Amino acid sequence: GDSVTQMEGPVTLSEEAFLTINCTYTATGYPSLFWYVQYPGEGLQLLLKATKADDKGSNKGFEATYRKETTSFHLEKGSVQVSDSAVYFCALRDTGRRALTFGSGTRLQVQP
Amino acid sequence: GVTQSPTHLIKTRGQQVTLRCSSQSGHNTVSWYQQALGQGPQFIFQYYREEENGRGNFPPRFSGLQFPNDSSELNVNALELDDSALYLCASSDGTGKETQYFGPGTRLLVL
Repeated sequence: GDSVTQMEGPVTLSEEAFLTINCTYTATGYPSLFWYVQYPGEGLQLLLKATKADDKGSNKGFEATYRKETTSFHLEKGSVQVSDSAVYFCALRDTGRRALTFGSGTRLQVQP
Repeated sequence: GVTQSPTHLIKTRGQQVTLRCSSQSGHNTVSWYQQALGQGPQFIFQYYREEENGRGNFPPRFSGLQFPNDSSELNVNALELDDSALYLCASSDGTGKETQYFGPGTRLLVL
């Protein structure tokens, strides 16, 4: 079945540091890939997405590239801010499927 | 955007609960997810044009409804302690390549 594996957290960085959160996936078809962010006490917000191999999703300084050869969709940001502190979820929706399959989430803590 | 009510709820084991969701304007598909503490969301089911359109690995005591105005309900009967979680509703436009947009969730505590 479909699955998503994310790096364990928490990830603790200083402000303006470079961020990478690793995400790898297993799917039977040609999935669409997503990153969602969850701020404390809130629901999920779509951060970015990519629907086919080699697509790059980007938003608010965050980027992720759909790598079919390595089945990966790593999230990166060049310079994090305290306001980026949240839990980040990688997710996929496989071809013909209704549901999103989520990873377990990675908590990011950015210190001033 | 997607709205959910109530924001918080406390119930006791064995009771029944109804959670509500209003979809984003123009969206005809709604999905429900359960997010246990410290975990990623798990798919419960999806409704499209008032019919259940897919279901995850949840027992029949989890049921739903979708109304003509694309609002939706999640009903859980015979509550168990493990049902304590954040319940998320997500709406989408049903085109097949759609993105799901999430509401803020309802946090349910079962005592």
